[in-house]
Amino acid sequence: AQKITQTQPGMFVQEKEAVTLDCTYDTSDQSYGLFWYKQPSSGEMIFLIYQGSYDEQNATEGRYSLNFQKARKSANLVISASQLGDSAMYFCAMREPIYNQGGKLIFGQGTELSVKP
Amino acid sequence: GAGVSQSPSNKVTEKGKDVELRCDPISGHTALYWYRQSLGQGLEFLIYFQGNSAPDKSGLPSDRFSAERTGGSVSTLTIQRTQQEDSAVYLCASSRRDAEYHEQYFGPGTRLTVT
Repeated sequence: AQKITQTQPGMFVQEKEAVTLDCTYDTSDQSYGLFWYKQPSSGEMIFLIYQGSYDEQNATEGRYSLNFQKARKSANLVISASQLGDSAMYFCAMREPIYNQGGKLIFGQGTELSVKP
Repeated sequence: GAGVSQSPSNKVTEKGKDVELRCDPISGHTALYWYRQSLGQGLEFLIYFQGNSAPDKSGLPSDRFSAERTGGSVSTLTIQRTQQEDSAVYLCASSRRDAEYHEQYFGPGTRLTVT
C-alpha cells in the first residue's frame, strides 16, 4: 500500500533563509505523482508543486523546488528566501495511478512551518 | 475563474441527525474528490467521481456515508445518524483529467461538529 511519511511535525525558519521539508514515500507502482500542498490557517489547500515519477529533472516553481531522489523514495520541498506568509501547514501527497485507481491523493501527516521575522 | 466552493462553511449538529454537505467543482473539471481532515486521522480520501463512471467509494468509513454527483457537476456528501467521531473538516477537490499534472484544486472545506 502507498504511504507518505513526513517526520517533521514542526519547523522554524528565519525570514529570508531557505528551509527543507522532508517527505518519504512508499509505493510499488512505477507510475505515480508527488505533490506538495500548503494549508494556511484559513484552511484551504493550495497546490504548490508537482513531480512525476518519470521526470528526470527536479521540479521548480518560483521559490519552491522539489528535491526528488527516486532511489531513496524521497521528495523534499525546498522553500528559498522564506517569507512570513509562508507560515502554514505543508502536506506531501502521492497520487495513485489515474487510469486504474482514479488518482486519489494519499497525504502525509504534514509539517507546520513557522517563519520568524 | 471561480474556484471550488463548498457549503455550509460550518455545521453544528446533534448526534444522530443527518447532514448534507455540498460541493461545487470548478467548471469543466470532470473529476471530483471528497476528503476528510481530522486531528486523529489526518487527511483521508472518502470518495471519487469521474464523469459518468461508477464512483470509487473505497474510502467511505461506514454505510452511514454516501455521496452523489448530479449532472456531472455539483456533489452532495450525506452523513446519516451522525456520530461524534464524524466531527472533522470535509474537503472537496476537483481536477481536469486532461490537465498535465492532474492536480487537484480544493475548496475551503466544511467544518462539521457533532455535539
